Parts: sequence; structure tokens; C-alpha cells
Amino acid sequence: KAGVTQTPRYLIKTRGQQVTLSCSPISGHRSVSWYQQTPGQGLQFLFEYFSETQRNKGNFPGRFSGRQFSNSRSEMNVSTLELGDSALYLCASSLAAQANTEAFFGQGTRLTVV
Amino acid sequence: AQTVTQSQPEMSVQEAETVTLSCTYDTSESDYYLFWYKQPPSRQMILVIRQEAYKQQNATENRFSVNFQKAAKSFSLKISDSQLGDAAMYFCAYIENNDMRFGAGTRLTVKP
Repeated sequence: KAGVTQTPRYLIKTRGQQVTLSCSPISGHRSVSWYQQTPGQGLQFLFEYFSETQRNKGNFPGRFSGRQFSNSRSEMNVSTLELGDSALYLCASSLAAQANTEAFFGQGTRLTVV
Repeated sequence: AQTVTQSQPEMSVQEAETVTLSCTYDTSESDYYLFWYKQPPSRQMILVIRQEAYKQQNATENRFSVNFQKAAKSFSLKISDSQLGDAAMYFCAYIENNDMRFGAGTRLTVKP
């Protein structure tokens, strides 16, 4: 069974550009969450989707957005990139809607903004 | 908003010895879930152990066990018989309403 797949693994963008990151969850998983990981701020929750609906959102500006498709694949978009957006972006999927189900993480996308 | 605190940025342990990583959290809820995740250099987060708050019994997974003190809102991870492969960042996490919050992490070094 394939794990959570994030593409691309590495990305370099220029300030002001926009970027789209992709996450394919484990087959059958309907919940997808996104996290930003930086040395200074640690792991911060971005948003969570279940059955194409955003159920929860972290404290990030509107430049950060996401969506989930009918096949549970998810994308997150960051517009007007800033240097501070450089981070490892992690995606996690879980089977069910309940909070106690295990979240499986992808290997992340390393975004560098120059 | 709930917070998760890991007060030890770095810890080291001798191979085959035991180490305990600390975690405290803040919540007003009575039913919630706590997790310890491991992030090796490969970056992929791996679930180590899970604890349900309504269960008084401490969770155990092979060499990994927790000391869950609900009243003190403490959730420490004990690693017994440490192995070189245990070296990683360890994150304590709390989940409520499908929103998982992580601590800042503890970097564990295992000395041969």
C-alpha cells in the first residue's frame, strides 16, 4: 500500500511568485491535513480537509489556501511568496473523521523562497 | 487555544540505556488524544505511540511507553534499551476537533 505522496520534494521560488504543492493520501483516507515546519516556529497547523470540505484552519494569512478533490488528493497554494514562507510543508492523511485515528505523514516538500 | 510544551530541546542517551522525554499540554477538554511522533533525518513523521485521555492505563509499544498524568497535563515518553535508530526529533502532539498541535520537539542523540 503506497504511503502519503507529496510533490514536488524540493522547490525554489522567487518572492512574489505563487506556488502549488500536492498531496496524495493513502488510498481510502479521506482526511488530509497540512503543516508548516520551520526551525523557529516548529510544526504549525495550516488546515484540514475531509471529503472536499475544509473543517479546520490554523492561524495563517489568506495567502495560504488549499483544496481537496473528490479522490481525496489535496493541494495547497501560497500566493505572493515571502522569504518567511521558506519551510518544510508536511501533509498527513488519516482514514476517518475521528480525531483518534492515526495520521500518516508524507516526506514533505521543502520550499525555499529567494 | 491548546498548547503543547516540550521543555527539552535536546537530549542524549547511551545506547541500551533509558531516556525520558517530557511533554506538557494545556486544554480545558476532558476527552482528547495525545501522540508522540518521531521524525528521523529522512523527514518523514512516524507515529510512535498514542494515548487516549479517558484511559487511565499508560500506553506501551514495545520499548516505548508513556507516563500519562491527566491532572498534571503531562505526557512523557520513555524509551527503554535505546538503539542507534532511535536518534531523531521527537514531537509530542495533541489533537482536538481534528486539529493536531505539536510541541517544538526534542532532538534525541543516541551515543554508541
